[in-house]
Amino acid sequence: GESVGLHLPTLSVQEGDNSIINCAYSNSASDYFIWYKQESGKGPQFIIDIRSNMDKRQGQRVTVLLNKTVKHLSLQIAATQPGDSAVYFCAEVTDSWGKLQFGAGTQVVVTP
Amino acid sequence: DGGITQSPKYLFRKEGQNVTLSCEQNLNHDAMYWYRQDPGQGLRLIYYSQIVNDFQKGDIAEGYSVSREKKESFPLTVTSAQKNPTAFYLCASSIQQGNQPQHFGDGTRLSIL
Repeated sequence: GESVGLHLPTLSVQEGDNSIINCAYSNSASDYFIWYKQESGKGPQFIIDIRSNMDKRQGQRVTVLLNKTVKHLSLQIAATQPGDSAVYFCAEVTDSWGKLQFGAGTQVVVTP
Repeated sequence: DGGITQSPKYLFRKEGQNVTLSCEQNLNHDAMYWYRQDPGQGLRLIYYSQIVNDFQKGDIAEGYSVSREKKESFPLTVTSAQKNPTAFYLCASSIQQGNQPQHFGDGTRLSIL
């Protein structure tokens, strides 16, 4: 079936470096993608979204890149801080009512 | 502050017991959702509601029930038919269904006594 997945389950990043979290999706019809951050014991927090008519979108310290040719999504975090340590999920919308399909998540660990 | 409030934060269920998880939002959102999250995994959709008095099954609805009598409230009942209820339950809402971000509460952790 169609699915969203992440390449790396754990990403260790030194404080101040840039982080790149990758996500592969298999449904070429997906037209909306969201990145969420989840800290331990809390609900997912919206970070940034992107629609399929765009290939790049920037927020505060974050950039999402969408490559529809290879069905790949990435989240870049600039100057990673200890507060960025969390699990990051990508999610895609695969149908007209907006059903979100979540990947398993990537744990980002920021080291001093 | 506007947001989504889930209660209780922790809940324990005895065998054969039904329990109800509360979800309230004051964002004036039309759509609401319930997800289940197991350790080290992503979120799976249990039920969703596009509008008051309407709701639809998600991917793992068996053993669960919901109601949507008010726009701001979408309670989830975990029935005794759900044989593996231990999980982290997350409620979300969005302005409407479609290509809109869903905003989440801070979850209820349900365990079996």
